Amino acid sequence: QVQLQESGPGLVEPSQTLSLTCIVSGGSISSGGYYWSWIRQHPGKGLEWIGYIQYSGSTYYNPSLKSRVTISVDTSKNHFSLKLSSVTAADTAVYYCARGVLYWGRGTLVTVSS
Amino acid sequence: EIVLTQSPGTLSLSPGERATLSCRASQSVSSSYLAWYQQRPGQAPRLLIYGVSGRATGVPDRFSGSGSGTDFTLTISRLEPEDFAVYYCQQYGSSPYTFGQGTKLEIK
Repeated sequence: QVQLQESGPGLVEPSQTLSLTCIVSGGSISSGGYYWSWIRQHPGKGLEWIGYIQYSGSTYYNPSLKSRVTISVDTSKNHFSLKLSSVTAADTAVYYCARGVLYWGRGTLVTVSS
Repeated sequence: EIVLTQSPGTLSLSPGERATLSCRASQSVSSSYLAWYQQRPGQAPRLLIYGVSGRATGVPDRFSGSGSGTDFTLTISRLEPEDFAVYYCQQYGSSPYTFGQGTKLEIK
C-alpha cells in the first residue's frame, strides 16, 4: 500500500521560500508512468493543483504559480519536494502531495506570517 | 486551461434519497480523465471515481459516475449518513490539471 507523508515547517515568514517534502513509502518513486503532484487548499476553500513531476524529472506547473514554483524529485531518498518562493499570506493553505489521483498524503498546514 | 463548473453549490437531501451532482467542463476532457473525490472535514480528499466511471477500490457501489465530453455526473443512489461531505471533480487529461469548486452535500 503506497503511503505519502508531507513534511516541512508549519510557519513561514512573508517573502521567504516555503519548502515541503513528500516522503513516499510502500512503492518506488521511480516506478514509471506516475505523476507526483502537489495540491493545496486555502482555509475553507476548494482545491488548487500546483504542479507535478515524473520520476524522469519532467515537470508541469500551474501557470498561475509557475514563476514561483519548483518541484524536484530525489529517487535515492524516495521523495519529492516543493519550493514556493516569495510567499505571502495568500499562500497560507493545507498542502497535499499525491501520486496520480489515487494516493494522497494527509496534508500539512502551512501558515505564512511574521 | 479547462475550467470545471460544479452544480449545485449546495445540495440538501435526506438519508435514503438519491443525489445527483454535476460537473461541466469548458472544453472536452481528454481521454475521459475525469475523477470525483469526497472530502470530509479535516480530511484529505478521497478518490471515489476515476476515468469518468471507474469506482476506486473500497468505494460502495451506491456511488457511480457517468458522462462524456464536457458533461459529467456523480450519482449516489441512496444516501448514507457518512456521505454528507464536499465533493470535487477533477480533470487530469490536460495540464494544468484542474478541480471544480465543489458541491457541499448537506443533511436536510
